[in-house]
Amino acid sequence: DQQVKQNSPSLSVQEGRISILNCDYTNSMFDYFLWYKKYPAEGPTFLISISSIKDKNEDGRFTVFLNKSAKHLSLHIVPSQPGDSAVYFCAASNTGTASKLTFGTGTRLQVTL
Amino acid sequence: DAGVTQSPTHLIKTRGQQVTLRCSPKSGHDTVSWYQQALGQGPQFIFQYYEEEERQRGNFPDRFSGHQFPNYSSELNVNALLLGDSALYLCASSLPNMLGHEAFFGQGTRLTVV
Repeated sequence: DQQVKQNSPSLSVQEGRISILNCDYTNSMFDYFLWYKKYPAEGPTFLISISSIKDKNEDGRFTVFLNKSAKHLSLHIVPSQPGDSAVYFCAASNTGTASKLTFGTGTRLQVTL
Repeated sequence: DAGVTQSPTHLIKTRGQQVTLRCSPKSGHDTVSWYQQALGQGPQFIFQYYEEEERQRGNFPDRFSGHQFPNYSSELNVNALLLGDSALYLCASSLPNMLGHEAFFGQGTRLTVV
């Protein structure tokens, strides 16, 4: 049972445009959500997170939106840069188990020139 | 700050053998988690160690075991290896007292079982 789903395995965006990566979850106990970026031959790198008490969190070019009623979150990257090309993982946890993360299957983002 | 370090980076083992993977957490972190990432999948939680005890465990058989040392470093042991154990094994560390949701990952150990 996949509790965190990323239904788009890949996404291609032109440099300078907006990248939108989507994630859905089924477990209503999740109250904290994170995005990680992964380059080949490296471990995942923490990017941005959001608590369920918020619906938006921004950090520079990265913004995460959370829609609790739809059990949906999205990561916006504006403007997209070639260095953003990587696999992006959505992850979720709950306060009771903190850093035990449940990951989606990832979306490969390619930013083209 | 060296971050999370794992060793070895690559390993090839034969079915039925046993393997030990090692991890040193990020400075200031005392909680260590292990994840398995199969090809084309997201990382899957194996277990977590805090204060030298296994605190949480994912849906993995008893063939997977671990240990945490007083200096917070950790080992992952897998017995009776199966072909399906071939994966990238990731170690992650996080803030003390399990207060932090964010986990910081090492570069992983690529295990191939033949």
